[in-house]
Amino acid sequence: KQEVTQIPAALSVPEGENLVLNCSFTDSAIYNLQWFRQDPGKGLTSLLLIQSSQREQTSGRLNASLDKSSGRSTLYIAASQPGDSATYLCAFSNTGGFKTIFGAGTRLFVKA
Amino acid sequence: EPEVTQTPSHQVTQMGQEVILRCVPISNHLYFYWYRQILGQKVEFLVSFYNNEISEKSEIFDDQFSVERPDGSNFTLKIRSTKLEDSAMYFCASSGDPGRSTDTQYFGPGTRLTVL
Repeated sequence: KQEVTQIPAALSVPEGENLVLNCSFTDSAIYNLQWFRQDPGKGLTSLLLIQSSQREQTSGRLNASLDKSSGRSTLYIAASQPGDSATYLCAFSNTGGFKTIFGAGTRLFVKA
Repeated sequence: EPEVTQTPSHQVTQMGQEVILRCVPISNHLYFYWYRQILGQKVEFLVSFYNNEISEKSEIFDDQFSVERPDGSNFTLKIRSTKLEDSAMYFCASSGDPGRSTDTQYFGPGTRLTVL
């Protein structure tokens, strides 16, 4: 069964701290992996997409890595801000990209 | 910036009734998806749609569910006879060309379906 596991389930950090969110997945034949942000009661916003042939992607203070052989991805957030408080979801798409499997997310709270 | 829109934002229905959830994907996108999220649970894939046919569906997407792209802009999810357990937030998403392995899925704001 295809699954995505995210650790930790919740995280509270002081403003300014660098942090790492972890994601592991069971299917090494992924097509791509995405990190999303979800605010309470809202839709999902894509943060970064890593193609299966790539090792990492960067956008501003965010850096995501992908290691297909070990089935792991990490999302690194530098210099965290209170506005980063949200749930971060990891999701991979299968071959062809037609089916996307989500993790349960890491709920992040950044204290001012 | 183009965005995916969904209507209605909240739908309340009686058990056994049919509901249609509507989505307008980003105009130049070719692939369309429906997901659901039961309160407090994971986002779950329902179905993907390309070239006027279903590309892949999950075990959740049984005979009670159907999708349609009735014109060049709308993408709909129909639930024929709603059950209490269908209560969830339903998200529509669209993307350009997964065959290039580069495309991000863009999500709509969701429709909250409440079945009484």
